[in-house]
Amino acid sequence: AQSVAQPEDQVNVAEGNPLTVKCTYSVSGNPYLFWYVQYPNRGLQFLLKYITGDNLVKGSYGFEAEFNKSQTSFHLKKPSALVSDSALYFCAAPRGGYNKLIFGAGTRLAVHP
Amino acid sequence: EAGVTQFPSHSVIEKGQTVTLRCDPISGHDNLYWYRRVMGKEIKFLLHFVKESKQDESGMPNNRFLAERTGGTYSTLKVQPAELEDSGVYFCASSQTGNSPLHFGNGTRLTVT
Repeated sequence: AQSVAQPEDQVNVAEGNPLTVKCTYSVSGNPYLFWYVQYPNRGLQFLLKYITGDNLVKGSYGFEAEFNKSQTSFHLKKPSALVSDSALYFCAAPRGGYNKLIFGAGTRLAVHP
Repeated sequence: EAGVTQFPSHSVIEKGQTVTLRCDPISGHDNLYWYRRVMGKEIKFLLHFVKESKQDESGMPNNRFLAERTGGTYSTLKVQPAELEDSGVYFCASSQTGNSPLHFGNGTRLTVT
Protein backbone atom coordinates (compact mmCIF):
# COMPACT_ATOMS: atom_id res chain seq x y z
CA ALA A 1 0.00 0.00 0.00
CA GLN A 2 1.20 3.49 -0.80
CA SER A 3 2.16 5.61 2.16
CA VAL A 4 4.22 8.53 3.33
CA ALA A 5 5.68 8.85 6.78
CA GLN A 6 6.94 11.76 8.78
CA PRO A 7 8.94 10.28 11.64
CA GLU A 8 9.12 13.44 13.74
CA ASP A 9 6.12 15.03 15.42
CA GLN A 10 8.08 18.18 16.12
CA VAL A 11 11.32 19.76 15.03
CA ASN A 12 12.92 22.58 16.96
CA VAL A 13 15.57 24.80 15.43
CA ALA A 14 17.16 28.13 16.23
CA GLU A 15 16.63 31.02 13.88
CA GLY A 16 19.40 31.22 11.33
CA ASN A 17 20.26 27.53 11.56
CA PRO A 18 19.53 25.07 8.77
CA LEU A 19 16.39 23.00 9.11
CA THR A 20 15.33 19.58 7.88
CA VAL A 21 11.87 18.06 8.04
CA LYS A 22 11.92 14.39 7.18
CA CYS A 23 9.64 12.37 4.93
CA THR A 24 9.92 8.81 3.70
CA TYR A 25 7.68 7.20 1.16
CA SER A 26 6.48 3.85 -0.02
CA VAL A 27 4.85 4.19 -3.42
CA SER A 28 4.76 2.03 -6.48
CA GLY A 29 6.24 3.19 -9.77
CA ASN A 30 7.80 6.61 -10.17
CA PRO A 31 6.80 8.67 -7.17
CA TYR A 32 5.24 12.08 -7.27
CA LEU A 33 5.87 13.80 -3.95
CA PHE A 34 4.65 17.05 -2.47
CA TRP A 35 5.24 19.29 0.52
CA TYR A 36 2.49 21.48 1.94
CA VAL A 37 2.65 23.92 4.85
CA GLN A 38 -0.12 24.98 7.19
CA TYR A 39 0.25 28.21 9.12
CA PRO A 40 -1.92 28.70 12.22
CA ASN A 41 -5.64 29.01 11.42
CA ARG A 42 -4.96 28.77 7.72
CA GLY A 43 -5.37 26.17 5.03
CA LEU A 44 -2.57 24.13 3.53
CA GLN A 45 -0.32 25.89 1.06
CA PHE A 46 1.63 24.15 -1.68
CA LEU A 47 5.40 24.44 -1.20
CA LEU A 48 6.98 22.25 -3.84
CA LYS A 49 6.71 19.00 -5.75
CA TYR A 50 8.91 16.31 -7.23
CA ILE A 51 7.72 14.76 -10.46
CA THR A 52 10.84 13.74 -12.32
CA GLY A 53 14.27 15.10 -13.19
CA ASP A 54 16.60 16.92 -10.83
CA ASN A 55 16.61 15.36 -7.37
CA LEU A 56 16.85 18.78 -5.71
CA VAL A 57 13.59 20.64 -6.01
CA LYS A 58 13.28 24.30 -5.13
CA GLY A 59 10.04 25.71 -3.83
CA SER A 60 8.41 28.69 -2.17
CA TYR A 61 9.82 30.74 0.73
CA GLY A 62 13.38 29.47 0.19
CA PHE A 63 12.52 25.84 0.85
CA GLU A 64 13.93 22.95 -1.12
CA ALA A 65 13.58 19.20 -0.96
CA GLU A 66 15.89 16.40 -1.92
CA PHE A 67 14.52 13.27 -3.53
CA ASN A 68 16.58 10.21 -2.64
CA LYS A 69 15.44 7.07 -4.38
CA SER A 70 17.79 4.68 -2.60
CA GLN A 71 16.65 5.90 0.80
CA THR A 72 13.03 6.45 -0.33
CA SER A 73 13.13 9.88 1.25
CA PHE A 74 12.02 13.37 0.33
CA HIS A 75 13.28 15.60 3.11
CA LEU A 76 12.39 19.28 3.22
CA LYS A 77 15.25 21.67 3.86
CA LYS A 78 16.06 25.31 4.27
CA PRO A 79 19.56 26.72 4.75
CA SER A 80 18.59 29.39 7.28
CA ALA A 81 15.40 29.14 9.32
CA LEU A 82 13.17 32.10 10.12
CA VAL A 83 10.80 32.42 13.06
CA SER A 84 8.04 32.91 10.49
CA ASP A 85 8.72 29.39 9.17
CA SER A 86 7.12 28.00 12.32
CA ALA A 87 4.17 25.97 11.06
CA LEU A 88 2.87 22.46 10.40
CA TYR A 89 4.47 20.72 7.44
CA PHE A 90 2.92 17.84 5.50
CA CYS A 91 4.50 15.48 3.04
CA ALA A 92 2.09 13.96 0.52
CA ALA A 93 1.88 11.64 -2.46
CA PRO A 94 -0.89 10.84 -4.92
CA ARG A 95 -2.81 7.62 -4.70
CA GLY A 96 -5.09 6.91 -7.61
CA GLY A 97 -5.10 10.48 -8.93
CA TYR A 98 -2.72 13.43 -9.04
CA ASN A 99 -4.56 15.42 -6.40
CA LYS A 100 -6.02 12.45 -4.53
CA LEU A 101 -3.33 12.74 -1.92
CA ILE A 102 -2.23 10.66 1.00
CA PHE A 103 -0.62 12.77 3.67
CA GLY A 104 1.91 12.14 6.35
CA ALA A 105 0.89 12.86 9.92
CA GLY A 106 2.55 16.26 9.82
CA THR A 107 5.59 17.73 11.53
CA ARG A 108 5.38 20.83 13.65
CA LEU A 109 8.35 23.08 13.05
CA ALA A 110 9.22 25.53 15.80
CA VAL A 111 11.88 28.11 15.04
CA HIS A 112 13.14 29.91 18.13
CA PRO A 113 14.64 33.41 18.08
CA GLU B 1 -7.61 36.35 -7.05
CA ALA B 2 -9.82 35.31 -4.17
CA GLY B 3 -8.80 32.05 -2.58
CA VAL B 4 -10.87 29.06 -1.62
CA THR B 5 -13.36 30.09 1.02
CA GLN B 6 -15.11 27.84 3.49
CA PHE B 7 -18.05 28.54 5.72
CA PRO B 8 -18.48 28.32 8.63
CA SER B 9 -15.01 28.43 10.12
CA HIS B 10 -16.24 26.64 13.23
CA SER B 11 -19.34 24.63 13.99
CA VAL B 12 -20.35 23.02 17.25
CA ILE B 13 -23.34 20.70 17.09
CA GLU B 14 -24.82 17.93 19.16
CA LYS B 15 -24.75 14.30 18.19
CA GLY B 16 -27.65 13.51 15.92
CA GLN B 17 -27.96 17.00 14.46
CA THR B 18 -27.28 17.97 10.87
CA VAL B 19 -24.54 20.26 9.66
CA THR B 20 -23.83 21.63 6.21
CA LEU B 21 -20.40 22.89 5.26
CA ARG B 22 -19.90 25.11 2.26
CA CYS B 23 -16.93 25.61 -0.02
CA ASP B 24 -16.46 28.25 -2.69
CA PRO B 25 -13.53 27.30 -4.93
CA ILE B 26 -11.37 29.68 -6.84
CA SER B 27 -13.29 30.98 -9.83
CA GLY B 28 -12.63 28.90 -12.91
CA HIS B 29 -11.36 25.87 -11.00
CA ASP B 30 -13.29 22.88 -12.28
CA ASN B 31 -11.74 20.48 -9.79
CA LEU B 32 -12.93 20.58 -6.20
CA TYR B 33 -11.85 18.26 -3.41
CA TRP B 34 -12.91 17.61 0.15
CA TYR B 35 -10.44 16.37 2.74
CA ARG B 36 -10.71 16.02 6.50
CA ARG B 37 -8.39 15.69 9.42
CA VAL B 38 -9.86 13.88 12.35
CA MET B 39 -8.16 14.87 15.59
CA GLY B 40 -4.65 13.52 15.83
CA LYS B 41 -4.81 11.63 12.57
CA GLU B 42 -3.73 12.14 8.99
CA ILE B 43 -5.49 14.34 6.51
CA LYS B 44 -7.65 12.06 4.40
CA PHE B 45 -9.25 12.42 1.00
CA LEU B 46 -13.03 12.37 0.93
CA LEU B 47 -14.07 13.11 -2.64
CA HIS B 48 -13.35 14.88 -5.90
CA PHE B 49 -15.68 16.82 -8.18
CA VAL B 50 -15.01 17.77 -11.75
CA LYS B 51 -17.47 20.54 -12.38
CA GLU B 52 -20.75 19.18 -11.04
CA SER B 53 -19.85 15.52 -11.38
CA LYS B 54 -18.46 13.32 -8.66
CA GLN B 55 -15.22 11.97 -10.09
CA ASP B 56 -14.22 9.96 -7.06
CA GLU B 57 -16.05 9.58 -3.78
CA SER B 58 -14.13 6.61 -2.51
CA GLY B 59 -13.07 8.40 0.66
CA MET B 60 -16.52 9.22 1.94
CA PRO B 61 -16.76 7.41 5.26
CA ASN B 62 -20.42 6.37 5.13
CA ASN B 63 -23.84 7.35 3.89
CA ARG B 64 -24.28 9.97 6.56
CA PHE B 65 -22.10 12.20 4.38
CA LEU B 66 -23.54 13.83 1.26
CA ALA B 67 -21.61 16.15 -1.01
CA GLU B 68 -23.08 18.22 -3.78
CA ARG B 69 -21.83 20.70 -6.32
CA THR B 70 -24.89 21.89 -8.16
CA GLY B 71 -24.03 24.02 -11.19
CA GLY B 72 -20.35 23.22 -10.82
CA THR B 73 -19.60 26.23 -8.64
CA TYR B 74 -19.72 26.01 -4.85
CA SER B 75 -19.97 22.72 -3.03
CA THR B 76 -21.70 21.62 0.15
CA LEU B 77 -20.91 18.73 2.44
CA LYS B 78 -23.76 17.64 4.66
CA VAL B 79 -23.39 15.37 7.65
CA GLN B 80 -26.67 13.86 8.79
CA PRO B 81 -26.91 12.73 11.52
CA ALA B 82 -23.60 13.77 12.98
CA GLU B 83 -21.69 11.41 15.24
CA LEU B 84 -18.92 12.12 17.73
CA GLU B 85 -16.28 10.61 15.46
CA ASP B 86 -17.11 13.15 12.76
CA SER B 87 -15.35 15.86 14.74
CA GLY B 88 -12.33 17.26 12.96
CA VAL B 89 -11.27 19.84 10.41
CA TYR B 90 -12.83 19.64 6.97
CA PHE B 91 -10.76 21.13 4.19
CA CYS B 92 -11.89 22.04 0.74
CA ALA B 93 -9.40 22.49 -2.08
CA SER B 94 -9.62 23.38 -5.73
CA SER B 95 -7.37 23.16 -8.75
CA GLN B 96 -7.58 24.49 -12.26
CA THR B 97 -6.84 21.12 -13.79
CA GLY B 98 -6.51 17.66 -12.38
CA ASN B 99 -2.74 18.00 -12.54
CA SER B 100 -2.21 21.45 -11.08
CA PRO B 101 -1.44 22.18 -7.42
CA LEU B 102 -4.22 22.26 -4.89
CA HIS B 103 -5.36 25.50 -3.29
CA PHE B 104 -6.84 24.84 0.13
CA GLY B 105 -9.37 26.76 2.10
CA ASN B 106 -8.84 27.53 5.78
CA GLY B 107 -11.03 24.64 6.79
CA THR B 108 -14.14 24.19 8.90
CA ARG B 109 -13.55 22.92 12.41
CA LEU B 110 -16.48 20.67 13.29
CA THR B 111 -17.07 19.66 16.88
CA VAL B 112 -19.78 17.13 17.65
CA THR B 113 -20.70 16.91 21.33
